[in-house]
Order: sequence, then structure tokens, then C-alpha cells
Amino acid sequence: EAGVAQSPRYKIIEKRQSVAFWCNPISGHATLYWYQQILGQGPKLLIQFQNNGVVDDSQLPKDRFSAERLKGVDSTLKIQPAKLEDSAVYLCASSLALAGRTDTQYFGPGTRLTVL
Amino acid sequence: EDQVTQSPEALRLQEGESSSLNCSYTVSGLRGLFWYRQDPGKGPEFLFTLYSAGEEKEKERLKATLTKKESFLHITAPKPEDSATYLCAVQGAGGYQKVTFGTGTKLQVIP
Repeated sequence: EAGVAQSPRYKIIEKRQSVAFWCNPISGHATLYWYQQILGQGPKLLIQFQNNGVVDDSQLPKDRFSAERLKGVDSTLKIQPAKLEDSAVYLCASSLALAGRTDTQYFGPGTRLTVL
Repeated sequence: EDQVTQSPEALRLQEGESSSLNCSYTVSGLRGLFWYRQDPGKGPEFLFTLYSAGEEKEKERLKATLTKKESFLHITAPKPEDSATYLCAVQGAGGYQKVTFGTGTKLQVIP
């Protein structure tokens, strides 16, 4: 079974530029998550989708971050404009169960973003 | 708000020297407690899910246990390949039942 795919793996941009990350979850997984992991910290949930609807985006900085999950499969996370403090690894995860059910999350390799 | 505290932040062991990692949590209605392993430059890799106090799970040299306030990850006779950051996370019954992660314990096993 293929795992969660993410691209790009690395991205370096100047502050105030925009950037987008892509995620393809495990086939058949209903729930998709985007996390931000700053160096030395645990992952912090940014947004959670069930199929193509948003379940929780309470920690997403909506003035600069946006995300969508078209057709309930692939997802993109965008930052516009980027700030220095956005430098982090952005992890995508998916789980089989519907949002709210206890289920294992499977993570992709992450995208390491450096904002200069 | 759900909280997860892991200790120690870093642990250095000799190969074969057994030890335990701690995960203390506060959550409104525990739905599940998760342990993940994260290697440098990679995403977290699932190890265990524990659902209720008293539950234990084992996998090779790792054993996870759960009480009402904390979980332990016991590592028996570790090998250098066990070196990684171990993350603990909880899923509570409140809010959208999101998963909250701790900051992890960085384990180094020296040959």
C-alpha cells in the first residue's frame, strides 16, 4: 500500500513570497490533516478535512494560510505572504476513519520550508 | 485545552541499557493515546494506540503502558537503531476530537 505522498520535499523562499505544498493521502482515507512542526517541537494541527469539507481550522492563521481538498482526495496548503516564523516542516497525514473517530494517522515525509 | 508533556527532553543510553520515557497528559475524555517514532528528516511513524488505563502493547523492544494520567514507553535492551525522537499524542472527546502532540523525547543509543 502506497503511503502519504508530499511535494516538494524542500523549499526555500524569501519573506513575503508565496508557496504551496501538495499532499496525496493513502487511497480511501477519509480524513486529511496538515500539521506544522517547528524544529524541536511536536506537530501542531493547522487544518483537518473530512472528505472535502473542513472539520477544524481553528489554529490556521487564516490571514496568510489557506488550504483546500478538492474531490476529497489531494490537498494543497498555501502560504501568502510568508513570514520568517513560517520556517518549519509541514506534515500531511491521513486516516481511514471519519473525523472524530479514534484512528491511526499516517504521515507523509513532510516539506521543509525555509523563509529567508 | 488538552495538554501533553513528555520527559525527559533527551535521553542518552548505552546499548543494552533499558529505560522508560514518560508522557503526562490532561485531556477531556481520552479517546486514544498514540506513540510515534520520528527519524530525522522523516514524518512520524506510528507505533501504538492505547485506549484505556491498564492497557499495554508491545512491539519488539518497545512496550507502552497507560494510566489515567500518564503513559510510559519502556525500551528494553535498546540498540543503536532505536535512536530517534519518540512522540506521544492524545485524542480527546472535546472539540473536533483533534490529536494533540507532545514535544517528544530524543533518544540516542550509543554502541
